[in-house]
Amino acid sequence: NAGVTQTPKFQVLKTGQSMTLQCAQDMNHNSMYWYRQDPGMGLRLIYYSASEGTTDKGEVPNGYNVSRLNKREFSLRLESAAPSQTSVYFCATLLRTDSNQPQHFGDGTRLSIL
Amino acid sequence: AQTVTQSQPEMSVQEAETVTLSCTYDTSESDYYLFWYKQPPSRQMILVIRQEAYKQQNATENRFSVNFQKAAKSFSLKISDSQLGDAAMYFCAYRSGGSNYKLTFGKGTLLTVNP
Repeated sequence: NAGVTQTPKFQVLKTGQSMTLQCAQDMNHNSMYWYRQDPGMGLRLIYYSASEGTTDKGEVPNGYNVSRLNKREFSLRLESAAPSQTSVYFCATLLRTDSNQPQHFGDGTRLSIL
Repeated sequence: AQTVTQSQPEMSVQEAETVTLSCTYDTSESDYYLFWYKQPPSRQMILVIRQEAYKQQNATENRFSVNFQKAAKSFSLKISDSQLGDAAMYFCAYRSGGSNYKLTFGKGTLLTVNP
């Protein structure tokens, strides 16, 4: 039972390069989320998708785009990477939004922008 | 906007003793959920415990329990009989019970367990 799978686990980019982080879930959850984690900042929401076909901005969306390809997959794209986007990125899923169920997290992607 | 504050950047505890991690939050909502997540060095985010705001009874999961004070907007985590495996970063998180379902995290508390 894979749960939430993020690829890649590590990536190093040069400033200006583009990159897509992939997230796939096998739990049949409706909602999916992308967070970034920076030292001393906790996790901050970048974008989320309440259901297949919808996406919305979170707290720190600038410099990112997302695609909810289908119910299983939610990708995060950096069109022109900047050093300020060096971070650990987490994908999370939620079965329903009106319950006390917790979000389930992937193992994270460590991204370094040089 | 909701905010979550963890006032203790670091805490330490002796193995087998009890430690309490603090969390306060600011909200004008009456319907919401609170969570504690654990993040060990492996970087995984692991749910420790959850609390619904409408429940007066404090949640308990084995050695982990919370002290939920709704009027004071406080949600502390107590770890009893601390074990070496409890060493991790702990995050408090808030989620609205309404249509805004994003998680708002505190900045975390790094817990060290001394043998």
